[in-house]
Amino acid sequence: AQKITQTQPGMFVQEKEAVTLDCTYDTSDQSYGLFWYKQPSSGEMIFLIYQGSYDEQNATEGRYSLNFQKARKSANLVISASQLGDSAMYFCAMREGLQTGANNLFFGTGTRLTVIP
Amino acid sequence: NAGVTQTPKFRVLKTGQSMTLLCAQDMNHEYMYWYRQDPGMGLRLIHYSVGEGTTAKGEVPDGYNVSRLKKQNFLLGLESAAPSQTSVYFCASSLNPLAGGNHEQFFGPGTRLTVL
Repeated sequence: AQKITQTQPGMFVQEKEAVTLDCTYDTSDQSYGLFWYKQPSSGEMIFLIYQGSYDEQNATEGRYSLNFQKARKSANLVISASQLGDSAMYFCAMREGLQTGANNLFFGTGTRLTVIP
Repeated sequence: NAGVTQTPKFRVLKTGQSMTLLCAQDMNHEYMYWYRQDPGMGLRLIHYSVGEGTTAKGEVPDGYNVSRLKKQNFLLGLESAAPSQTSVYFCASSLNPLAGGNHEQFFGPGTRLTVL
């Protein structure tokens, strides 16, 4: 079974509007972390936001917020006030076993976001 | 700080040739990783290292070897390249996750490898 599922291969959003990118995960661990990375056309991987499984508050970083619904095992990324520079691939990733020494990431297949002027 | 750097940026190999990809980080990170990214797929972990002199297998280790002789360097080797190893390879590094923080991985710019 896939550990991370991103069901939206592509999304479009109007500039200045908000957009939600979906991510569901599968783990039997109680202690895990969820990450979102952005990959622009230049190819580098840029860290956006992190949510730990024990964090009670949804994570926020500037225009990015993570809508964490633990019971549903979802960790959707919300981008507010979209900008043209937000056009990129977005990857959701998970790390299991936070209390061990492991830090391996499992990635989803990504969502390509296009911001329309 | 340069962060995570990778050498080379591009490479074309013929089937059966060997090569080594070099990753270097200047952030004093203990953990280092090698991933590959194929079209339509996310990144998949090849090998990783939790410290100098240690290595371990990830999701897709077959056909690759790694070495971590120095803390700042992590080498990925292909002994006999195959067309299935055509991919973009990313190196990453992070702090020891038990040290606290969000354990973010910092990525290099990638190496695009084509095996003919």
